[in-house]
Amino acid sequence: GQQVMQIPQYQHVQEGEDFTTYCNSSTTLSNIQWYKQRPGGHPVFLIQLVKSGEVKKQKRLTFQFGEAKKNSSLHITATQTTDVGTYFCAAFSGTYKYIFGTGTRLKVLA
Amino acid sequence: NAGVTQTPKFQVLKTGQSMTLQCAQDMNHEYMSWYRQDPGMGLRLIHYSVGAGITDQGEVPNGYNVSRSTTEDFPLRLLSAAPSQTSVYFCASHKMGAAGELFFGEGSRLTVL
Repeated sequence: GQQVMQIPQYQHVQEGEDFTTYCNSSTTLSNIQWYKQRPGGHPVFLIQLVKSGEVKKQKRLTFQFGEAKKNSSLHITATQTTDVGTYFCAAFSGTYKYIFGTGTRLKVLA
Repeated sequence: NAGVTQTPKFQVLKTGQSMTLQCAQDMNHEYMSWYRQDPGMGLRLIHYSVGAGITDQGEVPNGYNVSRSTTEDFPLRLLSAAPSQTSVYFCASHKMGAAGELFFGEGSRLTVL
């Protein structure tokens, strides 16, 4: 079955440092989504990428979709304490299944 | 709008007991799904439904049953709970055709002793 790997599993950064998480799929994807889950909370949608090579920005967050549509990344510039949480990618392969990556837990040290 | 509502928020069961986790959405979404979240494992898809009367298995369906008699409700049943089913369960929905975001409920924390 489809597998979605996400690295790293954990990341501790000093406030102001950058952060990147990577998502890799074993199959070509129709689209990929990113979610953020605050500690004790539920996943909340951040963005969806559809096109090969697509890059989208939300303030300090930059999302990329690979040319082969099998990988994606989320980069946060100058992290803040409000960025703390777990970031998940979710792969949609066109069979009505959203398969989530294992997540990257981000801790930001003030 | 209430969005996606899950009940109960917390539940403790003994091995072998049965229970149903409820999920309701008021957004007229055709697609509904159940995930379980365990430390280090991310969110794993249990079952999903693309409309009333239609359900299908996800990644980890064993030990769980679902039905979809209405657009609004998608209950998850544990017929004989096992300690391995201790987890946090999330229900999520989205509108078919929009290829858009999943809306999640706040989760149900289940402990099986």
